[in-house]
Amino acid sequence: NAGVTQTPKFQVLKTGQSMTLQCAQDMNHEYMSWYRQDPGMGLRLIHYSVGAGITDQGEVPNGYNVSRSTTEDFPLRLLSAAPSQTSVYFCASTFGRDYGYTFGSGTRLTVV
Amino acid sequence: GENVEQHPSTLSVQEGDSAVIKCTYSDSASNYFPWYKQELGKGPQLIIDIRSNVGEKKDQRIAVTLNKTAKHFSLHITETQPEDSAVYFCAAGHQFYFGTGTSLTVIP
Repeated sequence: NAGVTQTPKFQVLKTGQSMTLQCAQDMNHEYMSWYRQDPGMGLRLIHYSVGAGITDQGEVPNGYNVSRSTTEDFPLRLLSAAPSQTSVYFCASTFGRDYGYTFGSGTRLTVV
Repeated sequence: GENVEQHPSTLSVQEGDSAVIKCTYSDSASNYFPWYKQELGKGPQLIIDIRSNVGEKKDQRIAVTLNKTAKHFSLHITETQPEDSAVYFCAAGHQFYFGTGTSLTVIP
């Protein structure tokens, strides 16, 4: 099915561990973004990409890395997990800057 | 950067009544304003959007209005139904900035 696929759906990490959240889309979208969602704070942009090989920081980039080697994939890496990174993470993609996003179903991450 | 404020944070209406959610933004260069609906346990889904060259847009029971001079835009849902219950988000600034969400409950 066409759309944005995120894996895993749930993850528990210990403080200091690292991991990669996977995101893939099959709609040939150029723009891809990662958001985190925390209660009462809406969706906050972590990193975004406007095409393969191009990434940039969003509003809350600290503690996260991204890369975009292909149009389809945009993984998010947590370098050394902290309890403050407990959140729901959403990946989204779109044709261009002023078009609606298609969101994945999210990854619920708990850091203990 | 852009600052998007959304009100109210919670809204309860009787089935069949109308619901209005308002957002303000700060960057006059913003020219695309989408609205998303998020159901429990799911990712947000685009339900309607408007660009700065248009003042109002309708899609069945949903409408969005934009006032660029005042820098605010609103979501209007008429004849609400229980399945409209969800969290709604507005966005601006090339969608880098989202409002904090409105939890809408439609009471049967």
